[in-house]
Amino acid sequence: AQKITQTQPGMFVQEKEAVTLDCTYDTSDPSYGLFWYKQPSSGEMIFLIYQGSYDQQNATEGRYSLNFQKARKSANLVISASQLGDSAMYFCAMREGLGVGGANNLFFGTGTRLTVIP
Amino acid sequence: NAGVTQTPKFQVLKTGQSMTLQCAQDMNHEYMSWYRQDPGMGLRLIHYSVGAGITDQGEVPNGYNVSRSTTEDFPLRLLSAAPSQTSVYFCASRQRSYGYTFGSGTRLTVV
Repeated sequence: AQKITQTQPGMFVQEKEAVTLDCTYDTSDPSYGLFWYKQPSSGEMIFLIYQGSYDQQNATEGRYSLNFQKARKSANLVISASQLGDSAMYFCAMREGLGVGGANNLFFGTGTRLTVIP
Repeated sequence: NAGVTQTPKFQVLKTGQSMTLQCAQDMNHEYMSWYRQDPGMGLRLIHYSVGAGITDQGEVPNGYNVSRSTTEDFPLRLLSAAPSQTSVYFCASRQRSYGYTFGSGTRLTVV
């Protein structure tokens, strides 16, 4: 079974508007971490935001926020006030287990391509 | 600059050739991993290592070998390249529970 599901292959948003990118996850481990990465056309993977399974509050980083709904197993990324530079691929990822050591590998969804329209 | 360094950035191989993708980090991270990225598939884990001398398989290990003789280096070897290994390869290392650092990627084409 897929650990991370991103159901939106592509999304469009008007500049300065907010957009939500969907992500659902599947795990039976009570300890896990959820990540969002941005991949611009240049190809590098840029870390955006992190949410731990025990975190009480939704994570925020500047214009990025993570809408974490634990019971629904969803971790949607919200980008406020979209900018042209936000056009990129966005990947949701999950790590099961939160210990410093050990494997606890990172598993990725298939990504959502966001296009910001001027 | 500290980080994860991957070489080469681009490579074209003929079917059956062998090569090694290099990955080095200078952050003293114990955990390192290799991913491949294919269109519509996201990033899939090939191999990983939790420390020098320790490696294990990920989701898609067939056709690839790894070794970890030092904390800094984690090379990925293709013993006999196949067109199905045409992909973009990323190396990543981890600090603490969430601080993953990715290299800039290697774009490999097998003809």
